[in-house]
Amino acid sequence: AQKVTQAQTEISVVEKEDVTLDCVYETRDTTYYLFWYKQPPSGELVFLIRRNSFDEQNEISGRYSWNFQKSTSSFNFTITASQVVDSAVYFCALSEAITGANSKLTFGKGITLSVRP
Amino acid sequence: SAVISQKPSRDICQRGTSLTIQCQVDSQVTMMFWYRQQPGQSLTLIATANQGSEATYESGFVIDKFPISRPNLTFSTLTVSNMSPEDSSIYLCSRTSGEGETQYFGPGTRLLVL
Repeated sequence: AQKVTQAQTEISVVEKEDVTLDCVYETRDTTYYLFWYKQPPSGELVFLIRRNSFDEQNEISGRYSWNFQKSTSSFNFTITASQVVDSAVYFCALSEAITGANSKLTFGKGITLSVRP
Repeated sequence: SAVISQKPSRDICQRGTSLTIQCQVDSQVTMMFWYRQQPGQSLTLIATANQGSEATYESGFVIDKFPISRPNLTFSTLTVSNMSPEDSSIYLCSRTSGEGETQYFGPGTRLLVL
């Protein structure tokens, strides 16, 4: 069975601070996919990134960066120089596939990030 | 990215009634998914809706409570039947966006059952 653990429940930082959101996953599959989604107060779920299990390269997109480490089954997300607009709930998720029935997502419990001005 | 719409965006319903939520996607897709997000909680998959066959339900969800229709490759409905206050949640539909791409979500339907 798949499992995603986001041990942090709430994080509060002051604007311009860096913040890292942790994600640890469990799966028996050798091929799998990891995701981060953002859910702002408006409620919609915004896709941020997908990472394949066979690609351990870290990724940077503007102020966002992701650190994928298979050895520790972790896929952590760092926001550099946080802004008030980054305030949201962030979900890490896992799937066995990209298409078909096994592309269903298993979500972590989410981390509520509050960025204070 | 995929364009997904849901109707209604929100509703307040009385206990014992039923509500049908519609999900429309912008291009044909075999699989659509329905998730539930209870207040302050994460998302939980209700069922996978495969066009041309019956939906596949996850443990804890049954067809009598959450009947799903999938009449064509761009549309699906989820009905929440015989509602109770415990059904108050956000209901979201999703789809994958092509081969090798990711899963996108609709804006959600916020349901409050009194």
